[in-house]
Amino acid sequence: LAKTTQPISMDSYEGQEVNITCSHNNIATNDYITWYQQFPSQGPRFIIQGYKTKVTNEVASLFIPADRKSSTLSLPRVSLSDTAVYYCLVYPFGNTGKLIFGQGTTLQVKP
Amino acid sequence: EAGVAQSPRYKIIEKRQSVAFWCNPISGHATLYWYQQILGQGPKLLIQFQNNGVVDDSQLPKDRFSAERLKGVDSTLKIQPAKLEDSAVYLCASSQGTGENIQYFGAGTRLSVL
Repeated sequence: LAKTTQPISMDSYEGQEVNITCSHNNIATNDYITWYQQFPSQGPRFIIQGYKTKVTNEVASLFIPADRKSSTLSLPRVSLSDTAVYYCLVYPFGNTGKLIFGQGTTLQVKP
Repeated sequence: EAGVAQSPRYKIIEKRQSVAFWCNPISGHATLYWYQQILGQGPKLLIQFQNNGVVDDSQLPKDRFSAERLKGVDSTLKIQPAKLEDSAVYLCASSQGTGENIQYFGAGTRLSVL
């Protein structure tokens, strides 16, 4: 599974757009980029997955450049409730094995 | 649909005691995972079941940890005897095993070993 690198922490204010970038230089052709979100005292929660270009859902957008060596999770107009740890993972579509989590990015949203 | 259920939510024990955690996955999910999450780190897989068979237990400390998945549904994870370094959150996750195969996590059991 490809190794990922993301910032340890980020701060933002309510109403701002937050972009969290993840590097995955060794991504394989059949790998997808997936982001999980973990609130305090809860388990991680899947938020978005993509292969290339842009994916958008009700929670976030995921931007993936043509070379796929990095990706950016974009959270529009964050609120205090978006304070969480965000994990970037890279693995083949439909992977049935374990997820390998790094330290993730701790996002602190301030009022 | 109901999510992954875990109990208890919190447990405090003394070292060398035994403890057990219970997990009820999402109905119909064939694959069940137990992860250990130490404070400040991402979750780490302990054991993975496909129905009631073990798929991966390479990172399970087998001298003290054991797990079973009766009838391919509920699962229990046991620690006997506990050590101080076992203090962590134990997360259970389940997935369908097909398609996107998203893993759905429970809220976890926070274990404190004193």
